[in-house]
Amino acid sequence: EAGVVQSPRYKIIEKKQPVAFWCNPISGHNTLYWYRQNLGQGPELLIRYENEEAVDDSQLPKDRFSAERLKGVDSTLKIQPAELGDSAVYLCASSLEFHEQFFGPGTRLTVL
Amino acid sequence: GENVEQHPSTLSVQEGDSAVIKCTYSDSASNYFPWYKQELGKRPQLIIDIRSNVGEKKDQRIAVTLNKTAKHFSLHITETQPEDSAVYFCAASKTGGFKTIFGAGTRLFVKA
Repeated sequence: EAGVVQSPRYKIIEKKQPVAFWCNPISGHNTLYWYRQNLGQGPELLIRYENEEAVDDSQLPKDRFSAERLKGVDSTLKIQPAELGDSAVYLCASSLEFHEQFFGPGTRLTVL
Repeated sequence: GENVEQHPSTLSVQEGDSAVIKCTYSDSASNYFPWYKQELGKRPQLIIDIRSNVGEKKDQRIAVTLNKTAKHFSLHITETQPEDSAVYFCAASKTGGFKTIFGAGTRLFVKA
């Protein structure tokens, strides 16, 4: 069974540019999470989806971040415009039952 | 706000010794406590978890204990091996909110 797929794996952009990350969860997993992980820290939840509905986006900086999960399967996280402080690893995870989350490999974003 | 504190931030042990990592949580409604292992440049992977109706759980060389009254839980690794070297994250979450709060991580070094 394929795991959580993310692309791109690495992205380098200049500040003020837009960037988008894509995630395809494990087949059948209805819950999808986007996390941001800064160097030396634990993952921080940005948004959680139940199917196509965003049920927890309290930590998402809505002035520059947006996300969507059309058809309740894959998801896209966008930053526009990017700032220097957005440099981090963006992790996507999915789960079927409550609790156990399976993580993707992450996208390492560097904003110059 | 809700938070999870994790100690120590760095732990160095000799191969064959035991390692203990401790976490405390603030939200008394938390009822699920997973532990993740993250090797350098890789995704977090679940290694063991415990639910609030259980005080201890063991899986080969790893075990987790939970004290709900004190709101703390611990990871125990016995007979450590060099391949146990990684960053370990504890987390706490609760039914309904599905919100998972991660600790800051413990970098474990196992010296051969």
